[in-house]
Amino acid sequence: SQTIHQWPATLVQPVGSPLSLECTVEGTSNPNLYWYRQAAGRGLQLLFYSVGIGQISSEVPQNLSASRPQDRQFILSSKKLLLSDSGFYLCAWSRKGSGPYEQYFGPGTRLTVT
Amino acid sequence: GESVGLHLPTLSVQEGDNSIINCAYSNSASDYFIWYKQESGKGPQFIIDIRSNMDKRQGQRVTVLLNKTVKHLSLQIAATQPGDSAVYFCAENFGSGNTPLVFGKGTRLSVIA
Repeated sequence: SQTIHQWPATLVQPVGSPLSLECTVEGTSNPNLYWYRQAAGRGLQLLFYSVGIGQISSEVPQNLSASRPQDRQFILSSKKLLLSDSGFYLCAWSRKGSGPYEQYFGPGTRLTVT
Repeated sequence: GESVGLHLPTLSVQEGDNSIINCAYSNSASDYFIWYKQESGKGPQFIIDIRSNMDKRQGQRVTVLLNKTVKHLSLQIAATQPGDSAVYFCAENFGSGNTPLVFGKGTRLSVIA
């Protein structure tokens, strides 16, 4: 069966510090990968998605970036965090094919920027 | 989209009653729809999906209805239980399996015991 992991689970970082959140998927190969952000009590905002290694599509211009160094690894980064970067960050994966297919979400990372 | 910045609407239901959560989707070309349930502090979990060649699909205690004429999707939960308290999101997709789902703004369901 497939599983998706995210770490860390929670993170408190000062404004201006760097960020690195990691997501890995097990039990499947060549998945589509996604990063979402969710502010408290609000909806899901798609940040980035990737259909393959080194292929990143950005949905929202901001101070975040994403990378996919390996097939089942997706990393969300920032060089300098802003207060507005606080939120719940969710990674998701989906199969490829003729589709469309459901997306499976990870447990999330709660980021607080102070 | 713009809806991600809005506070979630809330639906309060008595335990044992049926719940109906509505969603208006945006793209008339969408051909696949999903309902997700998100409990506090967790990632969204798949509940049920439906393709555009159907107008109704039933699962365990849940039914999804699709009205393509008015671009409306609903989730019905029978005999609502306290464990159903969560935020529910609809999502739509069109095209190939490589395009991301488009999520609705979500509805918070609160079950009153």
